[in-house]
Amino acid sequence: GAGVSQSPRYKVAKRGQDVALRCDPISGHVSLFWYQQALGQGPEFLTYFQNEAQLDKSGLPSDRFFAERPEGSVSTLKIQRTQQEDSAVYLCASSLSGGAYGYTFGSGTRLTVV
Amino acid sequence: GENVEQHPSTLSVQEGDSAVIKCTYSDSASNYFPWYKQELGKGPQLIIDIRSNVGEKKDQRIAVTLNKTAKHFSLHITETQPEDSAVYFCAALGNMLTFGGGTRLMVKP
Repeated sequence: GAGVSQSPRYKVAKRGQDVALRCDPISGHVSLFWYQQALGQGPEFLTYFQNEAQLDKSGLPSDRFFAERPEGSVSTLKIQRTQQEDSAVYLCASSLSGGAYGYTFGSGTRLTVV
Repeated sequence: GENVEQHPSTLSVQEGDSAVIKCTYSDSASNYFPWYKQELGKGPQLIIDIRSNVGEKKDQRIAVTLNKTAKHFSLHITETQPEDSAVYFCAALGNMLTFGGGTRLMVKP
């Protein structure tokens, strides 16, 4: 596709509910990143894939957060037993080569936990 | 890990004036410094970047400067226009891309 596509754009979850957020990167992009952006703050790194390999997951805040990219293209970020502090915009970015050069971000998924 | 500080958090300028946003970073190994513009409801969009082997880069009305010794870099926007109004983020690449806290730029017509 022409850009990074994320779905859904908005998600409201009841506390304790599980959610799954999807990212479709630009076709052929090797690297994929997930970031969490709280209101009024800069994006914070969650995890990084190169093709299907998850090379860095040091930013995942707890074991309730899980990400996968099984075929090296589409990625899913799953949050189990959501809590209010998980409310944020979740951004996905992809880049053609390994590493962070030339990131293209999607528009994000705004998650609200009530 | 890397820590990026960004100032000011808000900046209001008159149309046609210049705007300057400054960032400092902590990790001397960082070697890539992009700037992003984020409009409401959208993801950050890369507007310009600079690598550690150069001190300045310009693209039309936008320029970035980098001082590796002092570990700071700046974004300069000249002849600001209302459509420049947005939140701007600096970032530094060490092991991963670390973002500053953002600057809300308001350009008044």
